[in-house]
Amino acid sequence: LQLQESGPGLVKPSETLSLTCTVSGGSIGSSNHYWGWIRQPPGKGLEWIGSMYFSGSTYYSPSLTSRVTISVDTSKKQFSLRLSSVTAADTAVYYCASPYSASPYYFEYWGQGILVTVSS
Amino acid sequence: QSALTQPRSVSGSPGQSVTISCIGTSSDVGGYNYVSWYQQHPGKAPKLMIYDVSKRPSGVPDRFSGSKSANTASLTISGLQAEDEADYYCCSYGGSNTLGVFGGGTKLTVL
Repeated sequence: LQLQESGPGLVKPSETLSLTCTVSGGSIGSSNHYWGWIRQPPGKGLEWIGSMYFSGSTYYSPSLTSRVTISVDTSKKQFSLRLSSVTAADTAVYYCASPYSASPYYFEYWGQGILVTVSS
Repeated sequence: QSALTQPRSVSGSPGQSVTISCIGTSSDVGGYNYVSWYQQHPGKAPKLMIYDVSKRPSGVPDRFSGSKSANTASLTISGLQAEDEADYYCCSYGGSNTLGVFGGGTKLTVL
């Protein structure tokens, strides 16, 4: 299984950050797997953003739930992250990840990460 | 949900063993057997080393082991090697559909 993030590397404050994760080497919509997003501000630790079950159920970090949406497009083998009203504090490397299993409690497969900078 | 507590740094000589602790609460680490550990080299994506407290994914050396006692999880690396030098993060289910709460990370230095 391979994951690849894509999207703009620069987003203006107050706008919406949108990223896509393309899945290859596996199925995204027809098996009981979870798909998630994790971020890492420069020089800091990891933060779980949210996860989605293949059926569409979503789970978000309590600190971000009001601004986050994770969705899936099975026809394109992609899942997406939208984070609204961004500020400089949202500057980070964003990773898409998956356990590729029915357990949502760990992430075995990771994308390479994409740096998103919030700046005017 | 507060982050899990890890020591900022640990060190050891080649061949020695080191243990990294991850302190949570009864609402996360202590309440569920869903602790995972990740290794991250500079500029690289994290790599899963341990899941479900003590299980190793295929390909991870058995020098890496995990355990848990009450609200504290631990990662032990035995027979330290130079390539083990990296940052290590613990993660736990946080209850109430908070699927992941990470620790602040521990920098392992192989002397």
